[in-house]
Amino acid sequence: EAQVTQNPRYLITVTGKKLTVTCSQNMNHEYMSWYRQDPGLGLRQIYYSMNVEVTDKGDVPEGYKVSRKEKRNFPLILESPSPNQTSLYFCASSLGRGDREKLFFGSGTQLSVL
Amino acid sequence: AQTVTQSQPEMSVQEAETVTLSCTYDTSESDYYLFWYKQPPSRQMILVIRQEAYKQQNATENRFSVNFQKAAKSFSLKISDSQLGDAAMYFCAYRSDPLHNFGNEKLTFGTGTRLTIIP
Repeated sequence: EAQVTQNPRYLITVTGKKLTVTCSQNMNHEYMSWYRQDPGLGLRQIYYSMNVEVTDKGDVPEGYKVSRKEKRNFPLILESPSPNQTSLYFCASSLGRGDREKLFFGSGTQLSVL
Repeated sequence: AQTVTQSQPEMSVQEAETVTLSCTYDTSESDYYLFWYKQPPSRQMILVIRQEAYKQQNATENRFSVNFQKAAKSFSLKISDSQLGDAAMYFCAYRSDPLHNFGNEKLTFGTGTRLTIIP
């Protein structure tokens, strides 16, 4: 089954404790992206990647890092989480290269930073 | 930069009735895509309907249809014969046409409309 898999689905942590949210897709997609969802703000893009070793900032990249060492994986790293990073996070992927097909979303990760 | 505005934070509709959710957007581009996504309590992002800006015909998917007014930059979603399973948060989203804007396939989202279905 074609899917984008995020882990964990729920995470509670404390300020400053490094964490990684994993994202994996099994569709051989070139394009991957991370969004955060906050009440009253909708979803906003954090980072994106057009291919292996190619990443770039989205609209709200501060406090986050990403890497794309393999085509299927695109982890989101919070080196020193803060309470304002409490949010619902989504990973998404698509074929890329100007493809007009839809974006596939993961199931989301609810992060709480205390 | 593009912006998407959903001016109705909450809406409610009687079961089996019709409801329309509003969305306006701002862009200087001529080629783009517009989407409606549904987010039920499971939090999953589900694509409801997609409209290509170059198509004059309004998209339809079963009970869901859109009213796309390109000149007015308006993209409303009509849900007919509302069902309890339609209760969700609905997001309107914009994407540049990737063939003309190769690179970041970013979706720009509105702030969402929470739809309640009254039995």
